[in-house]
Amino acid sequence: KAGVTQTPRYLIKTRGQQVTLSCSPISGHRSVSWYQQTPGQGLQFLFEYFSETQRNKGNFPGRFSGRQFSNSRSEMNVSTLELGDSALYLCASSLGAGGEHGYTFGSGTRLTVV
Amino acid sequence: AQSVSQHNHHVILSEAASLELGCNYSYGGTVNLFWYVQYPGQHLQLLLKYFSGDPLVKGIKGFEAEFIKSKFSFNLRKPSVQWSDTAEYFCAVNAGNNDMRFGAGTRLTVKP
Repeated sequence: KAGVTQTPRYLIKTRGQQVTLSCSPISGHRSVSWYQQTPGQGLQFLFEYFSETQRNKGNFPGRFSGRQFSNSRSEMNVSTLELGDSALYLCASSLGAGGEHGYTFGSGTRLTVV
Repeated sequence: AQSVSQHNHHVILSEAASLELGCNYSYGGTVNLFWYVQYPGQHLQLLLKYFSGDPLVKGIKGFEAEFIKSKFSFNLRKPSVQWSDTAEYFCAVNAGNNDMRFGAGTRLTVKP
């Protein structure tokens, strides 16, 4: 079965712009979680969507938002980009909520804000 | 608040040396525990997981981890590392609220 697909792989944006990232989970997986990965900070939880509903949200400002569609594909949006938003954004797919039995990760979208 | 701590940021070993990476978490209830690995240029992969039962779990590529409930620890071990084990290792905890939280990661460099 196909893995978790994230698009695009790389993005360069300027401060103040907004960006949308996409994630297609493994077929049959209903949960999609998003993480921000930066050197030294590890993976910071952004939010999780399960069956089109946001289940949980991390400690990120309201500029970070997301949604999930009926086919379980998910998008995350970052508005009014700041330099500090430069990071690798990872999508994690799981069958059940919260990655209780483990995640399958995508390759990530590397966002650079200049 | 729930947290996961990995004690070592960067570990450098020679091939054939033994490895132990520390992981501690702060949550008193039932937890599911994981180690993930990220090889250079690759995506995160599940190395091993613990849900219940035998506290010593074995994963892929000769890795194992031991859950010690009294110490809130889940340390990763490998008796003899190889150059190909060079990667970043992340400990993760799924606690009662079903959120997966990760440690900051430990970068392992194995010298040939």
